[in-house]
Amino acid sequence: EDKVVQSPLSLVVHEGDTVTLNCSYEVTNFRSLLWYKQEKKAPTFLFMLTSSGIEKKSGRLSSILDKKELFSILNITATQTGDSAIYLCAVGTDKLIFGTGTRLQVFP
Amino acid sequence: DARVTQTPRHKVTEMGQEVTMRCQPILGHNTVFWYRQTMMQGLELLAYFRNRAPLDDSGMPKDRFSAEMPDATLATLKIQPSEPRDSAVYFCASGLGAGRWSDIQYFGAGTRLSVL
Repeated sequence: EDKVVQSPLSLVVHEGDTVTLNCSYEVTNFRSLLWYKQEKKAPTFLFMLTSSGIEKKSGRLSSILDKKELFSILNITATQTGDSAIYLCAVGTDKLIFGTGTRLQVFP
Repeated sequence: DARVTQTPRHKVTEMGQEVTMRCQPILGHNTVFWYRQTMMQGLELLAYFRNRAPLDDSGMPKDRFSAEMPDATLATLKIQPSEPRDSAVYFCASGLGAGRWSDIQYFGAGTRLSVL
Protein backbone atom coordinates (compact mmCIF):
# COMPACT_ATOMS: atom_id res chain seq x y z
CA GLU A 1 0.00 0.00 0.00
CA ASP A 2 1.31 3.45 -0.93
CA LYS A 3 2.18 5.63 2.03
CA VAL A 4 3.68 9.01 2.84
CA VAL A 5 4.99 9.71 6.34
CA GLN A 6 5.87 13.13 7.66
CA SER A 7 7.87 14.06 10.74
CA PRO A 8 7.75 15.63 13.15
CA LEU A 9 3.99 15.82 13.64
CA SER A 10 4.33 19.13 15.38
CA LEU A 11 7.04 21.74 15.85
CA VAL A 12 7.16 24.88 17.99
CA VAL A 13 9.95 27.42 17.38
CA HIS A 14 10.78 31.06 17.87
CA GLU A 15 11.08 33.62 15.13
CA GLY A 16 14.46 33.48 13.47
CA ASP A 17 14.95 29.76 13.99
CA THR A 18 15.62 27.39 11.10
CA VAL A 19 13.42 24.31 10.75
CA THR A 20 13.64 21.11 8.73
CA LEU A 21 10.54 19.12 7.91
CA ASN A 22 10.81 15.53 6.73
CA CYS A 23 8.81 13.44 4.31
CA SER A 24 9.46 9.79 3.50
CA TYR A 25 7.48 7.67 1.09
CA GLU A 26 6.85 4.21 -0.26
CA VAL A 27 4.85 4.20 -3.46
CA THR A 28 4.69 2.39 -6.75
CA ASN A 29 4.97 4.45 -9.94
CA PHE A 30 6.53 7.55 -8.38
CA ARG A 31 6.23 10.62 -10.57
CA SER A 32 6.74 13.65 -8.34
CA LEU A 33 6.79 14.95 -4.78
CA LEU A 34 4.97 18.10 -3.83
CA TRP A 35 4.93 20.36 -0.79
CA TYR A 36 1.89 22.38 0.20
CA LYS A 37 1.30 24.95 2.94
CA GLN A 38 -2.08 24.98 4.65
CA GLU A 39 -3.05 27.87 6.84
CA LYS A 40 -6.69 28.23 7.74
CA LYS A 41 -8.11 27.34 4.39
CA ALA A 42 -6.99 25.53 1.27
CA PRO A 43 -3.56 23.96 0.81
CA THR A 44 -1.43 26.19 -1.38
CA PHE A 45 1.27 24.81 -3.62
CA LEU A 46 4.93 25.42 -2.69
CA PHE A 47 7.20 23.10 -4.67
CA MET A 48 7.19 20.15 -6.99
CA LEU A 49 10.28 17.95 -7.17
CA THR A 50 10.92 15.24 -9.69
CA SER A 51 14.70 14.84 -9.81
CA SER A 52 17.08 13.80 -7.06
CA GLY A 53 19.58 16.24 -5.68
CA ILE A 54 18.23 19.40 -7.28
CA GLU A 55 17.22 22.00 -4.71
CA LYS A 56 14.16 24.11 -5.29
CA LYS A 57 14.18 27.52 -3.57
CA SER A 58 11.66 30.22 -2.99
CA GLY A 59 12.81 32.96 -0.65
CA ARG A 60 13.46 31.44 2.77
CA LEU A 61 12.02 28.07 1.77
CA SER A 62 13.94 25.32 0.03
CA SER A 63 13.38 21.66 -0.66
CA ILE A 64 15.33 18.72 -1.99
CA LEU A 65 14.45 15.19 -3.00
CA ASP A 66 16.43 11.95 -2.59
CA LYS A 67 14.88 9.30 -4.84
CA LYS A 68 17.34 6.63 -3.75
CA GLU A 69 16.51 6.95 -0.06
CA LEU A 70 12.87 7.88 -0.77
CA PHE A 71 12.61 11.10 1.17
CA SER A 72 12.41 14.84 0.88
CA ILE A 73 13.09 17.72 3.25
CA LEU A 74 11.63 21.18 3.42
CA ASN A 75 13.82 23.83 5.06
CA ILE A 76 12.63 27.16 6.31
CA THR A 77 15.29 29.63 7.42
CA ALA A 78 14.78 32.73 9.58
CA THR A 79 11.24 31.67 10.42
CA GLN A 80 8.50 34.27 10.84
CA THR A 81 5.12 34.08 12.56
CA GLY A 82 3.54 34.01 9.10
CA ASP A 83 5.18 30.65 8.49
CA SER A 84 2.87 29.10 11.09
CA ALA A 85 0.81 26.51 9.20
CA ILE A 86 0.46 22.83 8.45
CA TYR A 87 2.96 21.70 5.83
CA LEU A 88 1.76 18.83 3.70
CA CYS A 89 3.89 16.51 1.64
CA ALA A 90 2.25 14.64 -1.24
CA VAL A 91 3.59 12.09 -3.67
CA GLY A 92 2.23 12.09 -7.19
CA THR A 93 1.40 8.85 -8.95
CA ASP A 94 -1.83 8.77 -10.89
CA LYS A 95 -3.15 10.81 -7.99
CA LEU A 96 -1.67 12.64 -5.00
CA ILE A 97 -1.07 10.69 -1.82
CA PHE A 98 -0.84 13.07 1.13
CA GLY A 99 0.98 12.70 4.40
CA THR A 100 -0.75 13.80 7.60
CA GLY A 101 1.29 16.97 7.74
CA THR A 102 3.63 18.78 10.13
CA ARG A 103 2.07 21.54 12.22
CA LEU A 104 4.57 24.39 12.59
CA GLN A 105 4.00 27.14 15.14
CA VAL A 106 6.34 30.12 15.14
CA PHE A 107 6.20 32.40 18.17
CA PRO A 108 7.61 35.94 18.34
CA ASP B 1 -6.53 35.30 -11.04
CA ALA B 2 -7.56 31.73 -11.86
CA ARG B 3 -8.85 29.76 -8.91
CA VAL B 4 -11.02 26.81 -7.97
CA THR B 5 -14.40 27.97 -6.69
CA GLN B 6 -16.42 25.93 -4.21
CA THR B 7 -19.93 26.52 -2.93
CA PRO B 8 -21.27 26.69 -0.33
CA ARG B 9 -18.42 27.68 1.99
CA HIS B 10 -20.31 26.47 5.04
CA LYS B 11 -23.21 24.08 5.41
CA VAL B 12 -25.05 23.06 8.56
CA THR B 13 -27.68 20.39 8.15
CA GLU B 14 -29.55 17.77 10.07
CA MET B 15 -28.86 14.07 9.90
CA GLY B 16 -30.73 12.44 7.03
CA GLN B 17 -30.79 15.51 4.80
CA GLU B 18 -29.26 15.64 1.34
CA VAL B 19 -26.17 17.78 0.88
CA THR B 20 -24.80 18.96 -2.48
CA MET B 21 -21.41 20.62 -2.82
CA ARG B 22 -20.30 22.29 -6.03
CA CYS B 23 -16.95 23.01 -7.58
CA GLN B 24 -15.88 25.09 -10.56
CA PRO B 25 -12.39 23.99 -11.62
CA ILE B 26 -9.80 26.31 -13.14
CA LEU B 27 -10.61 26.88 -16.80
CA GLY B 28 -8.59 24.51 -18.96
CA HIS B 29 -7.84 21.99 -16.23
CA ASN B 30 -8.88 18.48 -17.19
CA THR B 31 -8.66 16.73 -13.83
CA VAL B 32 -10.87 17.34 -10.80
CA PHE B 33 -10.40 15.83 -7.35
CA TRP B 34 -12.63 15.66 -4.28
CA TYR B 35 -10.99 15.39 -0.85
CA ARG B 36 -12.27 15.22 2.70
CA GLN B 37 -10.21 16.57 5.57
CA THR B 38 -10.69 15.78 9.25
CA MET B 39 -8.42 16.20 12.24
CA MET B 40 -8.17 12.43 12.67
CA GLN B 41 -7.66 11.32 9.07
CA GLY B 42 -6.03 14.28 7.39
CA LEU B 43 -6.68 14.71 3.64
CA GLU B 44 -8.44 11.72 2.11
CA LEU B 45 -9.08 11.39 -1.61
CA LEU B 46 -12.71 10.57 -2.28
CA ALA B 47 -12.88 10.59 -6.08
CA TYR B 48 -11.39 12.13 -9.18
CA PHE B 49 -12.28 12.77 -12.79
CA ARG B 50 -10.20 13.15 -15.93
CA ASN B 51 -11.89 14.86 -18.87
CA ARG B 52 -15.18 14.51 -16.95
CA ALA B 53 -14.91 10.72 -16.72
CA PRO B 54 -14.62 9.18 -13.26
CA LEU B 55 -11.21 7.51 -12.83
CA ASP B 56 -11.30 6.48 -9.21
CA ASP B 57 -13.99 6.72 -6.58
CA SER B 58 -12.70 4.00 -4.29
CA GLY B 59 -12.32 6.45 -1.41
CA MET B 60 -15.99 7.25 -1.35
CA PRO B 61 -18.70 5.46 0.68
CA LYS B 62 -20.78 4.31 -2.28
CA ASP B 63 -24.05 3.85 -0.47
CA ARG B 64 -24.43 7.53 0.35
CA PHE B 65 -21.91 9.54 -1.65
CA SER B 66 -21.98 10.32 -5.35
CA ALA B 67 -19.79 12.51 -7.53
CA GLU B 68 -20.51 13.77 -11.01
CA MET B 69 -19.23 16.22 -13.61
CA PRO B 70 -22.21 17.32 -15.66
CA ASP B 71 -19.94 19.58 -17.72
CA ALA B 72 -16.32 20.76 -17.80
CA THR B 73 -17.05 23.75 -15.57
CA LEU B 74 -18.96 21.98 -12.81
CA ALA B 75 -18.27 19.09 -10.47
CA THR B 76 -20.70 18.02 -7.74
CA LEU B 77 -20.40 15.89 -4.64
CA LYS B 78 -23.64 14.71 -3.09
CA ILE B 79 -24.32 13.01 0.23
CA GLN B 80 -27.71 11.38 0.74
CA PRO B 81 -28.58 10.75 3.51
CA SER B 82 -26.02 12.71 5.51
CA GLU B 83 -24.74 11.46 8.88
CA PRO B 84 -22.89 13.22 11.73
CA ARG B 85 -19.68 11.34 10.84
CA ASP B 86 -19.70 13.13 7.47
CA SER B 87 -18.86 16.39 9.25
CA ALA B 88 -15.57 17.57 7.73
CA VAL B 89 -14.09 20.06 5.30
CA TYR B 90 -14.54 18.96 1.70
CA PHE B 91 -12.00 20.27 -0.79
CA CYS B 92 -12.12 20.28 -4.54
CA ALA B 93 -8.88 20.56 -6.49
CA SER B 94 -8.11 20.77 -10.18
CA GLY B 95 -5.06 20.22 -12.32
CA LEU B 96 -3.72 19.14 -15.67
CA GLY B 97 -3.19 15.46 -16.16
CA ALA B 98 -1.84 13.44 -19.07
CA GLY B 99 -2.25 9.73 -19.45
CA ARG B 100 -2.18 8.18 -16.00
CA TRP B 101 -0.46 11.09 -14.35
CA SER B 102 -1.49 14.14 -12.40
CA ASP B 103 0.81 16.95 -11.38
CA ILE B 104 0.20 20.12 -9.42
CA GLN B 105 -3.26 20.40 -7.95
CA TYR B 106 -4.85 23.71 -7.06
CA PHE B 107 -7.31 23.65 -4.20
CA GLY B 108 -10.54 25.48 -3.62
CA ALA B 109 -11.31 27.10 -0.26
CA GLY B 110 -13.38 24.12 0.84
CA THR B 111 -16.90 23.50 2.11
CA ARG B 112 -17.13 23.10 5.87
CA LEU B 113 -19.96 20.64 6.51
CA SER B 114 -21.57 20.12 9.90
CA VAL B 115 -24.20 17.40 10.22
CA LEU B 116 -26.15 17.62 13.47
